[in-house]
Amino acid sequence: QSALTQPASVSGSPGQSITISCTGTSSDIGGYNFVSWYQQHPGKTPKLLIYELNNRPSGVSNRFSGSKSGNTASLTISGLQAEDEADYYCSSYTNTNSLEVFGGGTKLTVL
Amino acid sequence: EVQLVQSGAEVKKPGESLKISCKASGYSFTNYWIGWVRQMPGKGLEWMGIIYPGDSDAKYSPSFQGQVTISADTSSSTAYLQWSSLEASDTAVYYCARMGYYQNAFDIWGQGTVVTVFS
Repeated sequence: QSALTQPASVSGSPGQSITISCTGTSSDIGGYNFVSWYQQHPGKTPKLLIYELNNRPSGVSNRFSGSKSGNTASLTISGLQAEDEADYYCSSYTNTNSLEVFGGGTKLTVL
Repeated sequence: EVQLVQSGAEVKKPGESLKISCKASGYSFTNYWIGWVRQMPGKGLEWMGIIYPGDSDAKYSPSFQGQVTISADTSSSTAYLQWSSLEASDTAVYYCARMGYYQNAFDIWGQGTVVTVFS
């Protein structure tokens, strides 16, 4: 199935807030709240940031938050820090085959 | 400590077979799904498939159905990803990850296994 659609890149200055979008369809994001977000630094293993749309695992900073409107989910990072520079991936359950699908990934640059 | 430890890097020729592993520790292996994720060089994450070790129920993303086989051995708490005939396009980093502590999310990831296929 097609990957979810994310912008290739976003950027922001330290202290600012940025939002990364993730667009799907009514078969995935629009129909369910099983949206997750992952952070991956270069050469490192992905890390779970958000699960079930807007929940943070223990230990994840509250600067990361998730939301959804229609078929588009969003990850917001507030108080941008240099260490936030990384690739970010969304993921959603899809009823197409009752599995999951990733977005194409977004590279965040902290200016 | 809950962790997934993957087998080491592999260098193979096209047409060869391969089985990489993912050993779980620190939790009940049979009670959580284990998934596999591909990351080709310079590219994004791709969801390959998943297995529930408790009953060996395996599901595959359409792009990978028939291309790989996912299995699990409960006696050693190890999940496997295998190919019967590798292609150069299988060159990638392969991650295993646990799903089930949080609904539909991978909370624990292995360190990744680099697979290089070239003639």
